[in-house]
Amino acid sequence: DAKTTQPNSMESNEEEPVHLPCNHSTISGTDYIHWYRQLPSQGPEYVIHGLTSNVNNRMASLAIAEDRKSSTLILHRATLRDAAVYYCILRDGRAGGTSYGKLTFGQGTILTVHP
Amino acid sequence: SAVISQKPSRDICQRGTSLTIQCQVDSQVTMMFWYRQQPGQSLTLIATANQGSEATYESGFVIDKFPISRPNLTFSTLTVSNMSPEDSSIYLCSVVATGYGGYTFGSGTRLTVV
Repeated sequence: DAKTTQPNSMESNEEEPVHLPCNHSTISGTDYIHWYRQLPSQGPEYVIHGLTSNVNNRMASLAIAEDRKSSTLILHRATLRDAAVYYCILRDGRAGGTSYGKLTFGQGTILTVHP
Repeated sequence: SAVISQKPSRDICQRGTSLTIQCQVDSQVTMMFWYRQQPGQSLTLIATANQGSEATYESGFVIDKFPISRPNLTFSTLTVSNMSPEDSSIYLCSVVATGYGGYTFGSGTRLTVV
């Protein structure tokens, strides 16, 4: 399985933008880049995903490097409710492959948001 | 997106007993996934459950310990058998949500084995 590398922790101030980096140098052409977050005592929550182009949704933006070996999750204005563990995961998009559909979680980045 | 109802939300069990965890999805899904999250750790995939076929287990997990049923496209169960304190974890199910390609997770079952 392709692996991702994230900083163990990051801090931000409320209402400031947050850029969460993720390195995935062994990404293959069929791997989708997924981001999830886990708030305390909850199951993971989908944030965003993409393949090659940058993506925006109501929660965040995903910036994908041109060579796809890294990506950045952007929270435009952090709130206290954004404090969570953020996971960057590569999802194998090859139908029929042994790892198809599986999400392999790393340790993620613990985001602390200060008031 | 799919909505998952996972039961029970928590339980305290005696060692040597078994617990069955249920996941009900509000729409039909092909693949369901079961995860374990040990205290302070990230999620680890236990198995993939497809309707009409045997579950596929990840390395380190065996059917005798974690039998899985998938009787239809909206329901699955995971049983934790012959429990020991080392099985104390949060167990979660997950499905691919239709429409946008992301995954939805249940709220988890917090299991404590005493």
